[in-house]
Amino acid sequence: AQSVTQPDIHITVSEGASLELRCNYSYGATPYLFWYVQSPGQGLQLLLKYFSGDTLVQGIKGFEAEFKRSQSSFNLRKPSVHWSDAAEYFCAVGLSGGYQKVTFGIGTKLQVIP
Amino acid sequence: ETGVTQSPTHLIKTRGQQVTLRCSSQSGHNTVSWYQQALGQGPQFIFQYYREEENGRGNFPPRFSGLQFPNYSSELNVNALELDDSALYLCASSLVGQGHYEQYFGPGTRLTVT
Repeated sequence: AQSVTQPDIHITVSEGASLELRCNYSYGATPYLFWYVQSPGQGLQLLLKYFSGDTLVQGIKGFEAEFKRSQSSFNLRKPSVHWSDAAEYFCAVGLSGGYQKVTFGIGTKLQVIP
Repeated sequence: ETGVTQSPTHLIKTRGQQVTLRCSSQSGHNTVSWYQQALGQGPQFIFQYYREEENGRGNFPPRFSGLQFPNYSSELNVNALELDDSALYLCASSLVGQGHYEQYFGPGTRLTVT
């Protein structure tokens, strides 16, 4: 069964600083990988996705993520964080066949300080 | 193009009662998935419906059931509510058949069981 680990429950960064959120997955085949963002009391918004091809994926809001098969990782990065980026971030892995079951990590809560 | 909508926004029920949550999929989408997000956790997959049939289920008991209608709206029904059912319930719609899948989430229904 697939699983996702987000080792950092809570991260605090200063506005303008760079950001990297870690994600490791466990899955026997090539996974579909996603990063979602959730603001308080809101649903999930897709930031970016990886299915195949170029391992560096660009998303919305200036985010990018890199798929590293050898490390089973899909870390999310942003070069300069804005106060509006404060939210909870979820990494997720999907089956590459069959029905669309998506397994989410526990989430990383990002706090941005001025 | 309308997004995914859910109703109601909030709901309070008593233990042992039954509840029905509703979801309207994004226009053109033929698949709906339901997730339970407990406080401080990532979303957990409940089940998925494709063309009005359940085609995948997570680790949830049979008192969690669903329906998908010809217009691709759907319902999540939970019988014999327990205190642990208190959570944010998210539905997500997608279009199966494109080869890749992206799930678009609604804002969720916050269920409180007392």
